Amino acid sequence: AQSVAQPEDQVNVAEGNPLTVKCTYSVSGNPYLFWYVQYPNRGLQFLLKYITGDNLVKGSYGFEAEFNKSQTSFHLKKPSALVSDSALYFCAVRDNYGQNFVFGPGTRLSVLP
Amino acid sequence: NAGVMQNPRHLVRRRGQEARLRCSPMKGHSHVYWYRQLPEEGLKFMVYLQKENIIDESGMPKERFSAEFPKEGPSILRIQQVVRGDSAAYFCASSTGLDSYEQYFGPGTRLTVT
Repeated sequence: AQSVAQPEDQVNVAEGNPLTVKCTYSVSGNPYLFWYVQYPNRGLQFLLKYITGDNLVKGSYGFEAEFNKSQTSFHLKKPSALVSDSALYFCAVRDNYGQNFVFGPGTRLSVLP
Repeated sequence: NAGVMQNPRHLVRRRGQEARLRCSPMKGHSHVYWYRQLPEEGLKFMVYLQKENIIDESGMPKERFSAEFPKEGPSILRIQQVVRGDSAAYFCASSTGLDSYEQYFGPGTRLTVT
């Protein structure tokens, strides 16, 4: 069965500093990996995905994520955080057999001015 | 191109009443997923439907919950005899199907059971 772990409930960074939100996964077969962001009282917005190819994927709003197969990780990164990046971030995985997406518990990112 | 639509956005029901949540997928999307998000928690998969077909309902509670996606019209998530523990945000997502790697989420319906 697929599973996703986001080991940090909360990440605090100062504006302008780099940020990392961690995600590790477990899946049989090749993983399809995703990051979504949720702002208060809103639905989830797609940020980026890894399906195949280059391990470093770039997404919306300056975010990127690095797929590391040996560490089964897909950490979300941004070189310079903005206060407006403060939100709830979800990592998700889907295997290449099924259709279900499994979401991590979410990490709350706070960017402090 | 309108996104995924959900209505109502907010729904208040007394214990024992029925709640009906609607989801209209994006144009061209024939696959719908329902998720539940409890306060301060992540998304929990409930059910995955294709038009007129339930593909996977492994996340649905065994009783009181049902879902459908008819040939015409929106997908409906129905909760009968609601209890306070059903209070949550319910999100719908849609995709084009088997080769789709992305889901597009609606704004959610916030159900409050009083």
